[in-house]
Amino acid sequence: GESVGLHLPTLSVQEGDNSIINCAYSNSASDYFIWYKQESGKGPQFIIDIRSNMDKRQGQRVTVLLNKTVKHLSLQIAATQPGDSAVYFCAENGSGGYQKVTFGTGTKLQVIP
Amino acid sequence: KAGVTQTPRYLIKTRGQQVTLSCSPISGHRSVSWYQQTPGQGLQFLFEYFSETQRNKGNFPGRFSGRQFSNSRSEMNVSTLELGDSALYLCASSLAAKTNTEAFFGQGTRLTVV
Repeated sequence: GESVGLHLPTLSVQEGDNSIINCAYSNSASDYFIWYKQESGKGPQFIIDIRSNMDKRQGQRVTVLLNKTVKHLSLQIAATQPGDSAVYFCAENGSGGYQKVTFGTGTKLQVIP
Repeated sequence: KAGVTQTPRYLIKTRGQQVTLSCSPISGHRSVSWYQQTPGQGLQFLFEYFSETQRNKGNFPGRFSGRQFSNSRSEMNVSTLELGDSALYLCASSLAAKTNTEAFFGQGTRLTVV
């Protein structure tokens, strides 16, 4: 079955450093990917998305890279700040034909001041 | 523009009872989907509605049901509650009928079954 999984459950980063969160997916039919950030007690917050016809997409301080050959995604956060501390989920939406977000297990990012 | 609104934010119920959760999507969004989040299982898809029709359903028992109204607001119902139903229930809304669009989440309803 389809799944989206993460390599590392917890990532600790010094404030000001760059963070890289990795994600693998198994469904080669997936063509739309999203990164979400979830802070304690809140719902997932959309960060950035990428479609399969792209290899890279940049937002404000964030970059998503997609490698379709090895079915791998990564989220890069530049100059990590304490407010970036949260659980990050990679997800794919809609490979089943409808709006259905399939989430990975999540990576907890801890920013060390 | 207001975001996705879920009510109530917190709920405590007793085993065997039923519960109804509400979700108001972003104005203009017609797709509403529901998810259950637990520490052990992560975020799991429950079902999705579009124009008052359920289009997709996850692997949950029939005790979990939902509906969508003509104004796109959605409710989900859980009957005969079990302790294992304790979770954060999240609702997401999307603009388009097709896939491959952003899904925006509400803050969730924290359900505790005792």
